[in-house]
Amino acid sequence: QVQLQESGPRLVKPAETLSLTCTVSGDSIINYYWSWIRQPAGKGLEWLGRIYTTGSTNYNPSLENRVVMSVDTSKSQFSLKLTSVTAADTAVYYCARGNFGEYLFRDWGQGTLVTVSS
Amino acid sequence: DIQMTQSPSSLSASIGDRVTITCRASQTITKYLNWYQHKPGKGPKLLISTTSSLQSGVPSRFSGSGSGTEFTLTINGLQPEDFATYYCQQNFYTPYSFGQGTKLDIK
Repeated sequence: QVQLQESGPRLVKPAETLSLTCTVSGDSIINYYWSWIRQPAGKGLEWLGRIYTTGSTNYNPSLENRVVMSVDTSKSQFSLKLTSVTAADTAVYYCARGNFGEYLFRDWGQGTLVTVSS
Repeated sequence: DIQMTQSPSSLSASIGDRVTITCRASQTITKYLNWYQHKPGKGPKLLISTTSSLQSGVPSRFSGSGSGTEFTLTINGLQPEDFATYYCQQNFYTPYSFGQGTKLDIK
C-alpha cells in the first residue's frame, strides 16, 4: 500500500520560499501524477498543481507563477517550491497521487502545517 | 475557473439517519465529480469518482448521483465513523477545484 509523507520547514518568513518534499513508499513513483493540495485554516481545499514522472507539470494559475514542482524518481520524491510567500500561504499542505489519465486524488499524505510568519 | 458550491456547510445528524449533501458547479462538468471524506489529522479519502463510482472498500451506504451542474452524495444509515467533513471536487477542467466542504457531526 502506497504511503506519502510530506516534509520540510514548518515556519517560513514572508517573502521567502516555501519548500516541501513528498516521499513515496510502498509503490513505484513511476507512471503516476503527483499533486500538491493545501488547506488554509477554516477554509476548503485548493489544488496547487501536479507533476508527472516525466517532469511534465500543470499549475493552478491562481499562484501567479510562484510555484515550481519537480520530481526525483531515483529518490521516490517530488517537491514543491512556492516563492514570495505571505501569510495567505499559511496552510496544511498535502501531497497526493493520481493515476495516469485521471484528474483526481486517490492517495494522500497526512499533511503538514506550514506557517508564514516573521 | 469552475466554482464548486456545497450545501449545507454543516449538518447535524444521528446514527442511522439518511443524509444528503449537494454540490453545484458554476458550469457544466458533465459527470466529472468526485467525493472525498476528510477526518482531522489525515489526508482526505476518495469515496466516489465520476459521480457514482464507489471506490473499493467504501461501504455501500455511500452513493452519488447527478450530472451537469448538480450532484449529490447520500449516506444511508449513518455510522459513527461517517462523522467527518465531505468535499466534492471537479476534474472536468483544470484548475481542479473543490467545494468548501460539509461538516457532518453528531446531533
